[in-house]
Amino acid sequence: DSGVTQTPKHLITATGQRVTLRCSPRSGDLSVYWYQQSLDQGLQFLIQYYNGEERAKGNILERFSAQQFPDLHSELNLSSLELGDSALYFCASSVAGLAVLDTQYFGPGTRLTVL
Amino acid sequence: AQSVTQPDIHITVSEGASLELRCNYSYGATPYLFWYVQSPGQGLQLLLKYFSGDTLVQGIKGFEAEFKRSQSSFNLRKPSVHWSDAAEYFCAVGERMIKAAGNKLTFGGGTRVLVKP
Repeated sequence: DSGVTQTPKHLITATGQRVTLRCSPRSGDLSVYWYQQSLDQGLQFLIQYYNGEERAKGNILERFSAQQFPDLHSELNLSSLELGDSALYFCASSVAGLAVLDTQYFGPGTRLTVL
Repeated sequence: AQSVTQPDIHITVSEGASLELRCNYSYGATPYLFWYVQSPGQGLQLLLKYFSGDTLVQGIKGFEAEFKRSQSSFNLRKPSVHWSDAAEYFCAVGERMIKAAGNKLTFGGGTRVLVKP
């Protein structure tokens, strides 16, 4: 158990809908990262937040957005869902995250299925 | 841009035999390298990491990895595989995103390990 929690574990929804994925980092970690794991793209970095501020952005679609709240939990919002958004979404956290020396600890993931 | 290549998509190994998983990276600066394992239906668990110093790194579950700068490799090894080692293994390189003052991991495509009894 990494100490990173994600809810829900599974999500099934329809095309065009909007969903919110939630992540609670390990106690004391200030950075939260979101990754997408799909069969065709593999594991891809989406976005990083540090202490409430967006820090780094990867290949995140405009339909996707994230935020980190004062209690440091984070939410990933996916809207206008398409079939291709079906994937496993991981959250990770690290103590600081302002340098690559940080180790990222991953949650169990949320499996999103878009029908 | 940095990249990570895991040449073997699948590896089948007999229980008790040794295992070596290959990882090659492309990165301009000193790489920060990681190996993660993903068991079926599970998240990613950190096996080991290399930041600097001794090029042979010990990890959890009896795994070790060797950093070879001249070959741009960070191969993972285990002397004797157990059935519970059946999983997918991911090599990753950490990248500092200077402008954004953040960082990210770039992952290889993964190697799925099957263990024969």
